[in-house]
Amino acid sequence: AQRVTQPEKLLSVFKGAPVELKCNYSYSGSPELFWYVQYSRQRLQLLLRHISRESIKGFTADLNKGETSFHLKKPFAQEEDSAMYYCALTASGSRLTFGEGTQLTVNP
Amino acid sequence: EAQVTQNPRYLITVTGKKLTVTCSQNMNHEYMSWYRQDPGLGLRQIYYSMNVEVTDKGDVPEGYKVSRKEKRNFPLILESPSPNQTSLYFCASSLRGSVTQYFGPGTRLTVL
Repeated sequence: AQRVTQPEKLLSVFKGAPVELKCNYSYSGSPELFWYVQYSRQRLQLLLRHISRESIKGFTADLNKGETSFHLKKPFAQEEDSAMYYCALTASGSRLTFGEGTQLTVNP
Repeated sequence: EAQVTQNPRYLITVTGKKLTVTCSQNMNHEYMSWYRQDPGLGLRQIYYSMNVEVTDKGDVPEGYKVSRKEKRNFPLILESPSPNQTSLYFCASSLRGSVTQYFGPGTRLTVL
């Protein structure tokens, strides 16, 4: 069975500080990993996916198959980054399994 | 504008009163799905549909029904709602084989 774990429910940093949101997964095959973001009172939207190896809004995430992790990082957090972040996994091409979510607060 | 819409956005009801939350997408997506979002539990999939007339259970299907008679619509039906179904519900859609899902705005349901 596939599973995604986000160990931190809440994460608080100051503006300009580095931020790392942790994500660990369990799946025996080769999954595809994503980060979705939900800003206050808005719908979920895709932030980035590991396969594209891109940087969106300054965020990056590297898939570490050895550690089965897909941590989200940003070197300098901004107040507008405050949101709920979900790590997600798919093995079937469509069906997503989400983690519990991490609420990030960036303080001024 | 390409989008996923849900109605209603907010609903307060009482135990046992049947309700339907509609979901519609205008992107000709084959895949549609319903999730519920609860604090500390993240998003959990209720049901999904790979195409018209093809539906399957997700992780938490108990107490819910769905139908997929048309490609664009995927209503979520609660035949006899109970207070533990109080939650925020999201519909999502994607092209077959695509992993990028588009989410609706959410429906906040309260069952008293």
